[in-house]
Amino acid sequence: KAGVTQTPRYLIKTRGQQVTLSCSPISGHRSVSWYQQTPGQGLQFLFEYFSETQRNKGNFPGRFSGRQFSNSRSEMNVSTLELGDSALYLCASSLDTGGSGNTIYFGEGSWLTVV
Amino acid sequence: AQRVTQPEKLLSVFKGAPVELKCNYSYSGSPELFWYVQYSRQRLQLLLRHISRESIKGFTADLNKGETSFHLKKPFAQEEDSAMYYCALSLNLGDMRFGAGTRLTVKP
Repeated sequence: KAGVTQTPRYLIKTRGQQVTLSCSPISGHRSVSWYQQTPGQGLQFLFEYFSETQRNKGNFPGRFSGRQFSNSRSEMNVSTLELGDSALYLCASSLDTGGSGNTIYFGEGSWLTVV
Repeated sequence: AQRVTQPEKLLSVFKGAPVELKCNYSYSGSPELFWYVQYSRQRLQLLLRHISRESIKGFTADLNKGETSFHLKKPFAQEEDSAMYYCALSLNLGDMRFGAGTRLTVKP
């Protein structure tokens, strides 16, 4: 079974631009969540989608948004990029059997550098 | 507040020595705790979860609700165990709180 796939793996953007990152979850997984990883803040939860609906959201500004398609694939978008948005963005998927305790499986991440 | 603390950023042991990576959590409900590992140039992957009470690659972790801890242990460390280890608390709906991580180095 293929794992979580993220594209692109590496990208460089200029301040003020926007970026879209893509994630294909493990086949059969309907829950997709996104995390930001930085040396200073560690792994931080961005948001989670299930059946094309955002069910949960972390403490990030509105410049960070996402969506999920009917095939469970997901995209996240960051608008008006700032230098501090430079990070590894991780997508994770899970079966979501309800409640907490669902094991999430991570992709390799998209490395975003804002210059 | 829901929080996971890994007090050691770096941990170094010799091959064959016991290793313990500490994890403490703060959560008012019944916690669902995980250990994730990231080997060099690999993705973050699940090592074990407390609910399954299993041993993976010789590692075990016991949930101690009294001490709010979920320490990861292995009796005899191997060089291939060198990696970054993250303790995580599952809240709900994809929201997992991760500790800052502990980089384990096993020296030959």
